[in-house]
Amino acid sequence: KNQVEQSPQSLIILEGKNCTLQCNYTVSPFSNLRWYKQDTGRGPVSLTIMTFSENTKSNGRYTATLDADTKQSSLHITASQLSDSASYICVVGGGGNKLTFGTGTQLKVEL
Amino acid sequence: GAGVSQSPSNKVTEKGKDVELRCDPISGHTALYWYRQSLGQGLEFLIYFQGNSAPDKSGLPSDRFSAERTGGSVSTLTIQRTQQEDSAVYLCASSSRLAGAYEQYFGPGTRLTVT
Repeated sequence: KNQVEQSPQSLIILEGKNCTLQCNYTVSPFSNLRWYKQDTGRGPVSLTIMTFSENTKSNGRYTATLDADTKQSSLHITASQLSDSASYICVVGGGGNKLTFGTGTQLKVEL
Repeated sequence: GAGVSQSPSNKVTEKGKDVELRCDPISGHTALYWYRQSLGQGLEFLIYFQGNSAPDKSGLPSDRFSAERTGGSVSTLTIQRTQQEDSAVYLCASSSRLAGAYEQYFGPGTRLTVT
């Protein structure tokens, strides 16, 4: 069964600090891996998309890594801001148009 | 429009009633997806429309759920004889290869509460 597991489930950090969110997946076949940010009451917004051949991709203060051999990905957030408080969802694309979603890491950035 | 829009934003209905949820995708996007997000769960794929092709309905949880897309644009998701377990946020997304092969743009969702 295709699965995407994320850790930690929730995280609280102080503004300005860095953090790293983890994603492990068992999805076959593998096509791409995406990280989304979902603010409360809003739809998910794409941060990064990586295909099999890419092992890192950045979007501003967000940097995603992908190790297709170990089937792991991470999302690193640098110099966190209050507006980074949200749910971060790891999503793996398999064959065709099917996506498998993780349950997300709930990040809270505090003063 | 500038993004994917959905209506209503919130819907409260009594068990057993039918509901219709609407999605307006980004203009020109040929692909449209419906997902369900239950509390504490990851997004669950429901149905996928691509151009004039037959929709992929493999994610619909029961025959009470149906969706259509008229004129290749607006889509409605219909839930008949709603049950309490149907309570969730229903998200719509659209995409186009011109916008990036894998990019999906999500709407704000419709929060459905079945009492």
